[in-house]
Amino acid sequence: AQTVTQSQPEMSVQEAETVTLSCTYDTSESDYYLFWYKQPPSRQMILVIRQEAYKQQNATENRFSVNFQKAAKSFSLKISDSQLGDAAMYFCAYRSAWTSGSRLTFGEGTQLTVNP
Amino acid sequence: EAGVAQSPRYKIIEKRQSVAFWCNPISGHATLYWYQQILGQGPKLLIQFQNNGVVDDSQLPKDRFSAERLKGVDSTLKIQPAKLEDSAVYLCASSSEHRTGTYEQYFGPGTRLTVT
Repeated sequence: AQTVTQSQPEMSVQEAETVTLSCTYDTSESDYYLFWYKQPPSRQMILVIRQEAYKQQNATENRFSVNFQKAAKSFSLKISDSQLGDAAMYFCAYRSAWTSGSRLTFGEGTQLTVNP
Repeated sequence: EAGVAQSPRYKIIEKRQSVAFWCNPISGHATLYWYQQILGQGPKLLIQFQNNGVVDDSQLPKDRFSAERLKGVDSTLKIQPAKLEDSAVYLCASSSEHRTGTYEQYFGPGTRLTVT
């Protein structure tokens, strides 16, 4: 079974600064997808960024980028120029490309605080 | 495009009572997921439907939880009888493909259940 671990329960960053959230995962599969989701207090899960395991290039979405290290099974999220609206719980998630289901396996989450 | 709709947003019941949650996925999405998110944890898949058939219910406590998706559209998740440990947020998500590709899962706002 796949597992996802987020070792930072809480992180804080100053507005306009850069912060990196860590995620590691365990799998025996070679093809899969990784995601970062944002969950504000409204509880709505919002996709921030996705990464296909077969792609070596790290995904980027505006101020959000990832550092995907497949051999190390590491998938960190970097938020540049942090904004007050970035404050939320962030979840790292794994999805197999080959199993019959496509469930997301989530980590425990990292609560990000952005200080003005 | 309308998002995933869920109701109710909040529910408080006493233990041993029954409760039902409703989900309406995004129009045209064949795959529907129910996740349970206990406070301080990441969401965990309870059940996945492809159209009106069950794809994965391996983590559904079948002695008390049931779910159906009539006509492959709306879905209802029921708990009977509820236990204190069922207190959680129940998230519904939908996607347009269940097996391949990076088709995004779109989440609803969730239902917060409190069992007293």
